[in-house]
Amino acid sequence: AIQMTQSPSSLSASLGDRVSITCRASQDIRSDLGWYQQKPGKAPKLLIYGASSLESEVPSRFSGSGAGTDFTLTISSLNPEDFATYYCLQQYAYPNTFGQGTKLELK
Amino acid sequence: QVQLQQWGTGLLKPSEALSLTCAVSGGSFSGYYWTWIRQPPGKGLEWIGEIKLDGTTNYDPSLSKYNPSLKSRVSISVDRAREQLTLRLNSVTAADTAVYYCARGGWLQLWGQGTWVTVSS
Repeated sequence: AIQMTQSPSSLSASLGDRVSITCRASQDIRSDLGWYQQKPGKAPKLLIYGASSLESEVPSRFSGSGAGTDFTLTISSLNPEDFATYYCLQQYAYPNTFGQGTKLELK
Repeated sequence: QVQLQQWGTGLLKPSEALSLTCAVSGGSFSGYYWTWIRQPPGKGLEWIGEIKLDGTTNYDPSLSKYNPSLKSRVSISVDRAREQLTLRLNSVTAADTAVYYCARGGWLQLWGQGTWVTVSS
């Protein structure tokens, strides 16, 4: 199975900060990567698909980049509702696999 | 507003079978890929498997075999008449304790609310 490694595992940041989360695949997955946001006790929510396409109604401060093995989710200016856990998901090969998650906390 | 509703048995004993169902309210069931995902307590997301438009299924191989007969422990199916998605997981153990989610769409655009499943003797 393709391994997805996110970094960092946790991140402390302040309101208004620009933050980036990285996801590295153990092999080339082209652009078959999505990013999800999960808040405590809630289902995950799709933010980015195809590595860089913004899902409908997701704020434009979220952006995704990368292809091949290295991918980045960037939040340009943190809002209070952005503090959550973020996961990447590869859909290039079966079984599809998630990264281990990055918990974004308020500093 | 389109929502996914899930239901099923929340407390199981080891060796029993898990069965969960998912349905759409306020929107379409057909024409989509359907996926099951689970999340053990305090841990990350785990992809279980999916069913495509043509009924083809793909599963996490760690769930797809059980000893000794190498038959699949997991199955995903759809009842198109009832417009329901079903997950069945046989021979559960404590390691199967998790919140289980159904999701609709190729990129899991819409998620159910989650169903807690506890396996305990």
